[in-house]
Amino acid sequence: QKEVEQNSGPLSVPEGAIASLNCTYSDRGSQSFFWYRQYSGKSPELIMFIYSNGDKEDGRFTAQLNKASQYVSLLIRDSQPSDSATYLCAVHTRLAFGKGNQVVVIP
Amino acid sequence: NAGVTQTPKFQVLKTGQSMTLQCAQDMNHNSMYWYRQDPGMGLRLIYYSASEGTTDKGEVPNGYNVSRLNKREFSLRLESAAPSQTSVYFCASPVTGTGSYEQYFGPGTRLTVT
Repeated sequence: QKEVEQNSGPLSVPEGAIASLNCTYSDRGSQSFFWYRQYSGKSPELIMFIYSNGDKEDGRFTAQLNKASQYVSLLIRDSQPSDSATYLCAVHTRLAFGKGNQVVVIP
Repeated sequence: NAGVTQTPKFQVLKTGQSMTLQCAQDMNHNSMYWYRQDPGMGLRLIYYSASEGTTDKGEVPNGYNVSRLNKREFSLRLESAAPSQTSVYFCASPVTGTGSYEQYFGPGTRLTVT
């Protein structure tokens, strides 16, 4: 089992809708969880990190962590065309990354 | 303050050739990482260095060697390049000690092996 799994295919959402991305991890001892955004041809950039169970909000982004079920999710509210990118989940045990989910926001 | 820099940005190699990818960070971080990114595969860890003088294998180390030259520099060497090593290579260095572990990435090296 991979350390970090992101299994959903490309996600298309209408502008203004909510995009929801999920990620599961295998190491129960993991403490830190991250969401990175990567535009085509660019380096990943951090958009959210979360350490505690529950929700963490930052602008239009909300990260949700459930350590008992070993998943972390990212919600993007009021999606904009500029949110079209690949979103990578990462877990701090050697900073392992998932495969990423491509999000396309349709105007 | 340039953050993480990588050279070269692009490289084309023939099978069997060797090359070294260079990475440097000016943030005084202890740890440095090398990832490769292939379409649909996300970022896969090749090697990392938790501190100057130490290196450890990641998920996909075969065919690569690394050198942590000093605190600033961490190089990745392909001794005999293979087409399977065609990829985008990212060097990164995380913030540590503050509880953050945010990973700062370099701009990447796009390598093609023919």
